[in-house]
Amino acid sequence: GAGVSQSPSNKVTEKGKDVELRCDPISGHTALYWYRQSLGQGLEFLIYFQGNSAPDKSGLPSDRFSAERTGGSVSTLTIQRTQQEDSAVYLCASSFNSETQYFGPGTRLLVL
Amino acid sequence: GQQLNQSPQSMFIQEGEDVSMNCTSSSIFNTWLWYKQDPGEGPVLLIALYKAGELTSNGRLTAQFGITRKDSFLNISASIPSDVGIYFCAGGRGTNAGKSTFGDGTTLTVKP
Repeated sequence: GAGVSQSPSNKVTEKGKDVELRCDPISGHTALYWYRQSLGQGLEFLIYFQGNSAPDKSGLPSDRFSAERTGGSVSTLTIQRTQQEDSAVYLCASSFNSETQYFGPGTRLLVL
Repeated sequence: GQQLNQSPQSMFIQEGEDVSMNCTSSSIFNTWLWYKQDPGEGPVLLIALYKAGELTSNGRLTAQFGITRKDSFLNISASIPSDVGIYFCAGGRGTNAGKSTFGDGTTLTVKP
């Protein structure tokens, strides 16, 4: 079956522009996560959606970052007024039990 | 918040050698999971552990859930070049009990 998909796979933008990153989770998975990974680093938790509960936004680094999950499925991570330090790989994962996470391939964001 | 200490941070080994890495925490976890991330990909689940003291194997990989529930180790026997990648541990609090906490990863390099 289909795994987690993310788009675009690569994104190059100019400093100050807004970007939207999309995640399509595995069908039926109620939990969805966004992480950020800088080159050679670990996974930095950003935000977690579980069913209809209020999302856990405790990892968002600034108010320039926001995420939505529409209809309990697709999620969009938006970064406003991008900065060079936002350059990283943004990973999405989904889960059916909030434990075992299935990751997408990531979106590689480069802010010039 | 909960933190995991994963060690070593990196390992350089010869093909055929055995590898051991571990994660420790000051907090108790109800599950431990080990993931591997190949270059340019998202992490993939290797082994999931759900019970203190549990020892589970997956091919050349063996992982154990520490009896205190505060640690876990992963062993790889007879390493091969395709074992190269970043290995992450993750501690979970239980089904639908919130997000897991990830370690910072162990980067493994295998020399042929």
